[in-house]
Amino acid sequence: QVQLVQSGAEVKKPGASVKVSCKASGYTFSGYFIYWVRQAPGQGLEWMGRINPNTGGSKYAQKFQGWVTMTRDTSISTAYMELSSLKSDDTAVYYCGRGAASWYIDLWGRGTLVTVSS
Amino acid sequence: QSALTQPASVSGSLGQSITISCAGTSSDVGGYNYVSWYQQRPGEAPKLMIYDVSNRPSGVSNRFSGSKSGNTASLIISGLQAEDEADYYCSSYAISSYAISSKLFGTGTKVTVL
Repeated sequence: QVQLVQSGAEVKKPGASVKVSCKASGYTFSGYFIYWVRQAPGQGLEWMGRINPNTGGSKYAQKFQGWVTMTRDTSISTAYMELSSLKSDDTAVYYCGRGAASWYIDLWGRGTLVTVSS
Repeated sequence: QSALTQPASVSGSLGQSITISCAGTSSDVGGYNYVSWYQQRPGEAPKLMIYDVSNRPSGVSNRFSGSKSGNTASLIISGLQAEDEADYYCSSYAISSYAISSKLFGTGTKVTVL
């Protein structure tokens, strides 16, 4: 069926990097953007950026410029989000989502909890 | 750019109608018809309820509707049911003063069914 399956929970130390994967199935991977959104514990949703799997082109929220990298591997229909120089307040659930050109997300992964702790 | 402004909480009785507002600016909500709404139940991923201001994805109840006036968008839930109790987030395409495009989310609204 149509779904996005994300990688499992991660525990990282401050200063480390984390790479979260998002595998698409049931639809044409290159036909939709992949968005990344995070949610800190008890907080709201925060857009991080999006990647066009067809071209590999990405757009990042200003806050994450230089700090996040979004890539994809079309051979396995998988998108990746790597966040570097982690701090404790990067502890959050990271969601990937399938989106349209008009900036809405119609299919969400179940989320990946990233915990940053010394 | 700041988050879009939503009321922290809205409550209503079973069967009642409620409206959740989402206030932005002419650089986001008011400037484009790219407003979407998401429902999030505890421990779950968000779910798309409305896209492009007023369009409903297949499978979403017609009790949910969306509209926009000026810089404020609204989500209306009619015939409130217990299963509607959740957090709701609006979102909009936005353009900054430096012509940088982004996606903004609202601050979120907790809906309680009395």
